[in-house]
Amino acid sequence: ETGVTQTPRHLVMGMTNKKSLKCEQHLGHNAMYWYKQSAKKPLELMFVYSLEERVENNSVPSRFSPECPNSSHLFLHLHTLQPEDSALYLCASSHNGVGTEAFFGQGTRLTVV
Amino acid sequence: DQQVKQNSPSLSVQEGRISILNCDYTNSMFDYFLWYKKYPAEGPTFLISISSIKDKNEDGRFTVFLNKSAKHLSLHIVPSQPGDSAVYFCAASALGGNTGKLIFGQGTTLQVKP
Repeated sequence: ETGVTQTPRHLVMGMTNKKSLKCEQHLGHNAMYWYKQSAKKPLELMFVYSLEERVENNSVPSRFSPECPNSSHLFLHLHTLQPEDSALYLCASSHNGVGTEAFFGQGTRLTVV
Repeated sequence: DQQVKQNSPSLSVQEGRISILNCDYTNSMFDYFLWYKKYPAEGPTFLISISSIKDKNEDGRFTVFLNKSAKHLSLHIVPSQPGDSAVYFCAASALGGNTGKLIFGQGTTLQVKP
């Protein structure tokens, strides 16, 4: 496999459930990101991990909990979500440094019922 | 307040003609700009970028122009092809950090008609 892979592609969960989104990158990058795309809104940066350390949390509610066990894997743990959290969740990776673009996975379409 | 704006939600052009997608930004700290293309059910894919030390960058049919004084950039696609039909996102970042930390515009849906 190459690139950035996200699983699952689609997820429907109840408000009391706990689930996790998984992201894996095979590009040798050292920074990983979670973005959220809601309907009719721009992509919003949620979390940044650089060298496996969380360097940014953009005021994301605590019901979203990221985990980066190594430079190739990133998780987003979900619990007690709300229907308004339904969105496309995108993982991305890049090299630290100047002038490098981020590569995105295909996203997980999350529906909270 | 949105720091990166794409004011045209959609654009329709004829195959073979030029497509021009526009983007405005407000934050003068931005100095690296990217365009991404997104097909339905796929993640965004990188298209072309430009650093603020340049005013033009060209890659095949795609050219990005940057006007720093106006805080405006544009993507030109010449000639446009039906396969270019997608949503195009403008994104910006500040150098000195991870450039994967991007601020995105709302996107412009381009339709290229055969």
